[in-house]
Amino acid sequence: GQQLNQSPQSMFIQEGEDVSMNCTSSSIFNTWLWYKQEPGEGPVLLIALYKAGELTSNGRLTAQFGITRKDSFLNISASIPSDVGIYFCAGLSGGSYISTFGRGTSLIVHP
Amino acid sequence: GAGVSQSPSNKVTEKGKDVELRCDPISGHTALYWYRQSLGQGLEFLIYFQGNSAPDKSGLPSDRFSAERTGGSVSTLTIQRTQQEDSAVYLCASSLEIGGWPSEETQYFGPGTRLLVL
Repeated sequence: GQQLNQSPQSMFIQEGEDVSMNCTSSSIFNTWLWYKQEPGEGPVLLIALYKAGELTSNGRLTAQFGITRKDSFLNISASIPSDVGIYFCAGLSGGSYISTFGRGTSLIVHP
Repeated sequence: GAGVSQSPSNKVTEKGKDVELRCDPISGHTALYWYRQSLGQGLEFLIYFQGNSAPDKSGLPSDRFSAERTGGSVSTLTIQRTQQEDSAVYLCASSLEIGGWPSEETQYFGPGTRLLVL
């Protein structure tokens, strides 16, 4: 099935560094979602974006819904070891209930 | 319950055997989804239930895969005559409803069932 282009595939950073990851699509989405998945767990919703241009924060996380509605980014500021996990973007088209998921960005934070 | 629960958490089976995976959605959520997550991959949509409507089975990879949702709540995903390529994490998610406010369509995931077919 269709998948979003999510990058980077993996990141190895030092504690305290900022992180940025993004997703792009050839299709327009009405909703962008960012999830985090820790080992042995299901994805947990971090941020949901519902309007083009929307910028939303959740603690040290900030995500934006691209103005073209074909992209979104997620930033994590001042990373800490518990930020380790796989981050997935997902998009929802209007009238569709099937989310399209990116392949994920694996984040490793060195103390 | 507080969240989506799935059982078993892990399942090891032999090739050719049938397996059943169970999902208990969040109470009151009318929509339920099954996904498959292979190693290093994103989530692959399998099937979707919404209330009493006919399920969307468009993502099921073969006729060995089927799912039921009884009483609008608990769902069971069945894989018949399992193959080694069926090994993956099977995730269930639920949402409040579809067609309402966008926030009501946000999916909440269970911890998954890790299936290994030997």
